[in-house]
Amino acid sequence: RKEVEQDPGPFNVPEGATVAFNCTYSNSASQSFFWYRQDCRKEPKLLMSVYSSGNEDGRFTAQLNRASQYISLLIRDSKLSDSATYLCVVNIHNNNDMRFGAGTRLTVKP
Amino acid sequence: DGGITQSPKYLFRKEGQNVTLSCEQNLNHDAMYWYRQDPGQGLRLIYYSQIVNDFQKGDIAEGYSVSREKKESFPLTVTSAQKNPTAFYLCASSILGQGPPWRYGYTFGSGTRLTVV
Repeated sequence: RKEVEQDPGPFNVPEGATVAFNCTYSNSASQSFFWYRQDCRKEPKLLMSVYSSGNEDGRFTAQLNRASQYISLLIRDSKLSDSATYLCVVNIHNNNDMRFGAGTRLTVKP
Repeated sequence: DGGITQSPKYLFRKEGQNVTLSCEQNLNHDAMYWYRQDPGQGLRLIYYSQIVNDFQKGDIAEGYSVSREKKESFPLTVTSAQKNPTAFYLCASSILGQGPPWRYGYTFGSGTRLTVV
């Protein structure tokens, strides 16, 4: 089993739609969680950290479910500019050793 | 502006040749990392360094070497022993310190695309 698993997609949604991605992780001792955004042929950029109580940043909401070992990302009112690959990242050993999912590709269409 | 600079953006390697990828940061970050990204796979850790003159192997260190002579610089050499080096290479850095520094995540350079010809 992979340490971090994501549905690769692609998710094709119309502008204005709400879309959600899930990510599961295998190590129950994982300490911290992130969502990164990666545009085609570019480097990943931090979108948001995921806190235990869940957190929101504008149209983006991240949730953590430790019991079921998954995190989620919800995007409301999708924009064309949201088209990208979204990487789930988990810190496994609490020492700056991050584990990356393979990413979920999102395409937002007019 | 502070950031991480990787060079070159594109690199072509001949069979049996060693090549070095540059990574420089002016963020005053203690830790630096090298990852490899292949299509359809997550980033995989090659090497990381938390202090000058010290570095640790990641999951796929075979065929690679690094040095950390300065805090700002963490070059990666892809040796001829790496049999499948064609990939997108990403350098990253992060702060270290008391408390949960991992909450801040990584800052990535713009990457180097290495192709074997």
